Amino acid sequence: EMQLLESGGGLVQPGGSLRLACTTSGFSIRNYCMSWVRQAPGKGLEWVSATDTSGAYSFYADSVKGRFTISRDNSKNTLFLQMNSLRVEDTAIYYCGRYNSASERWFDPWGQGTLVTVSP
Amino acid sequence: DIQVTQSPSSVSASVGDRVTITCRASQYISSRLAWYQQKPGKAPNLLIYAASSLQSGVPSRFSGSGSGTDFTLTISSLQPEDFATYYCQQGNSFPLTFGGGTKVEIK
Repeated sequence: EMQLLESGGGLVQPGGSLRLACTTSGFSIRNYCMSWVRQAPGKGLEWVSATDTSGAYSFYADSVKGRFTISRDNSKNTLFLQMNSLRVEDTAIYYCGRYNSASERWFDPWGQGTLVTVSP
Repeated sequence: DIQVTQSPSSVSASVGDRVTITCRASQYISSRLAWYQQKPGKAPNLLIYAASSLQSGVPSRFSGSGSGTDFTLTISSLQPEDFATYYCQQGNSFPLTFGGGTKVEIK
């Protein structure tokens, strides 16, 4: 069974940093593009970042560009999101998701999410 | 950036009803659109990809149609387990964008 499991969320003050991880099982992430999507409390879904199979190419939402960095360790089947200069508005559940390719950018499966709370 | 406008934002329906949700993209996106179902406290679940392809394991009462800029998700006969929030997502270009969501509630 294909599974994704996020970790690393928590409470952090504005301006702080967190590193999220998404560990996978049941498939090899080296064959897939990967992405992060977030959901603020009571709000809709917002795409955050994506990376190609090798990690050579990365893409970001304008709201996080310059502050967040996506990376991957294919040997450990793990995706990361380094989040710096965090803001209150970054408070959300962060999900990782897999997508097949540049022509098939829809997410399946998803992890269960990890909650990031940015508060003074 | 491609904006995705989803409507309605909520709908009240009864078991057995036919429910239709629409999604409009601000630019041509061919068939690069997906639909997800999300239940409270859970991650989204892919229902439809490439506008009209049913994801494996998803009941056949769910169907998708459309191409270009206008898309539709239809639930042919609403079941109790279908009460949830539904999102569309364009996969044509970065930044990827989601519709605002449609909450399907019990009438």
